[in-house]
Amino acid sequence: AQSVTQLDSQVPVFEEAPVELRCNYSSSVSVYLFWYVQYPNQGLQLLLKYLSGSTLVKGINGFEAEFNKSQTSFHLRKPSVHISDTAEYFCAVNPQGGSEKLVFGKGTKLTVNP
Amino acid sequence: DVKVTQSSRYLVKRTGEKVFLECVQDMDHENMFWYRQDPGLGLRLIYFSYDVKMKEKGDIPEGYSVSREKKERFSLILESASTNQTSMYLCASTIFSNQPQHFGDGTRLSIL
Repeated sequence: AQSVTQLDSQVPVFEEAPVELRCNYSSSVSVYLFWYVQYPNQGLQLLLKYLSGSTLVKGINGFEAEFNKSQTSFHLRKPSVHISDTAEYFCAVNPQGGSEKLVFGKGTKLTVNP
Repeated sequence: DVKVTQSSRYLVKRTGEKVFLECVQDMDHENMFWYRQDPGLGLRLIYFSYDVKMKEKGDIPEGYSVSREKKERFSLILESASTNQTSMYLCASTIFSNQPQHFGDGTRLSIL
């Protein structure tokens, strides 16, 4: 079975600072990887996805993530955050060739302060 | 753009009531999902459906049932609502596992 660990439940940063949100996963098979963002009182919106190919994936709103197979990690980064990036971020995995089910991490609440 | 529409943003019901949450998607997706979201617990899968009239239990199906009579519509049913079912409920759909799931805006359900 797959599992996803988001190492930080809350990350406070100042505006224009860089940020890294960490995600580690456990799986016995290859996986597809996703990061989603949830703004207050909204559903989840896809930030980026890794299916295959280049391990550095670029997403919307200036975010990027790097897939590291040996460390089973998929950390999300942004070089300079804005107040509007304040939201909850979820990492998710789906086993290749398996069912359609996603396994989500518990989320990281990013708060960007002025 | 894919649109997943949940019938209510906020809902207040009483203990013991039968509650229906409706979800409609407009992209002809095979797969639809119901999750509940609670603080500190992330998203937990209740049920999913990979075709009309097909359903599979997720991680927390107890106290819930689902219905998928048409491809575009997936309903979540709380047979006899209890206060521990107070939560945010999210519906999602996707065409394949290597494609992202598309989410509705959620229904915040309170059971009094």
